[in-house]
Amino acid sequence: NAGVTQTPKFRVLKTGQSMTLLCAQDMNHEYMYWYRQDPGMGLRLIHYSVGEGTTAKGEVPDGYNVSRLKKQNFLLGLESAAPSQTSVYFCASSDYRAGNQPQHFGDGTRLSIL
Amino acid sequence: SQQGEEDPQALSIQEGENATMNCSYKTSINNLQWYRQNSGRGLVHLILIRSNEREKHSGRLRVTLDTSKKSSSLLITASRAADTASYFCATANTGGFKTIFGAGTRLFVKA
Repeated sequence: NAGVTQTPKFRVLKTGQSMTLLCAQDMNHEYMYWYRQDPGMGLRLIHYSVGEGTTAKGEVPDGYNVSRLKKQNFLLGLESAAPSQTSVYFCASSDYRAGNQPQHFGDGTRLSIL
Repeated sequence: SQQGEEDPQALSIQEGENATMNCSYKTSINNLQWYRQNSGRGLVHLILIRSNEREKHSGRLRVTLDTSKKSSSLLITASRAADTASYFCATANTGGFKTIFGAGTRLFVKA
C-alpha cells in the first residue's frame, strides 16, 4: 500500500527551466493538494483539486500550474523556474475536505533552482 | 498568513519526560489537527479535535482545545527518542477546503 508517491525526490534546475512534479495516490481520494515548505515556516498551499478535472488556487499559486486529468494523479508544473521557488514540495490527499479529514502526505520533492 | 502559531519553536527533553506544545490561532475554526514530521519525510496525521470538543486522547497523546482562548495544546507523555520530530498544528475554517499550518515545534528527545 504505497499511499502518496511523489516523483522525483530531488531535482536541481537552472533559472528559466521548466519541470513537472508528479503526485500519485492509490487511496481513491477525491481531494489532492500541493504545498511548499520553506525553512522556519509551515506548509503553504499552492493549488488544490476537489476532483478529477478540477483545480483551484491556494495561498501562493503564482509561477505554478497544475492539472488533474486522472483522479489518482495531480501534477505541479513550474513554467519558468526562479530561485524563489527553491523549496521542498509536498503533495497530499484526503478523502473529504482537508479541514474535516486527515491529509495523507508524500515524502516530498526537494527542488533547488540555481 | 499563518493561522496557527506553535510555541515553543524548539524543545529539548530527556527520554521519559512529558513534552507539551502549544498552538494559538486567530479566527474561528471548524476543527484543529496535529501532525508530526520526521526529518526528511512527509507529515503524518496524529489527531483531530473538533471545535465542540475540549479534550481528546490517542495513546500517549493528549490534545486540548480552548476555543475561547483560540489555543490548543499537545501533550506527549513518557517521551521516547523516536518522538524526536517536528510537530505542526493545522486549522480549517468552516469552508474546510484549506488547511493552514503553523511553523511547527521541533522536539528533540535525548536518550
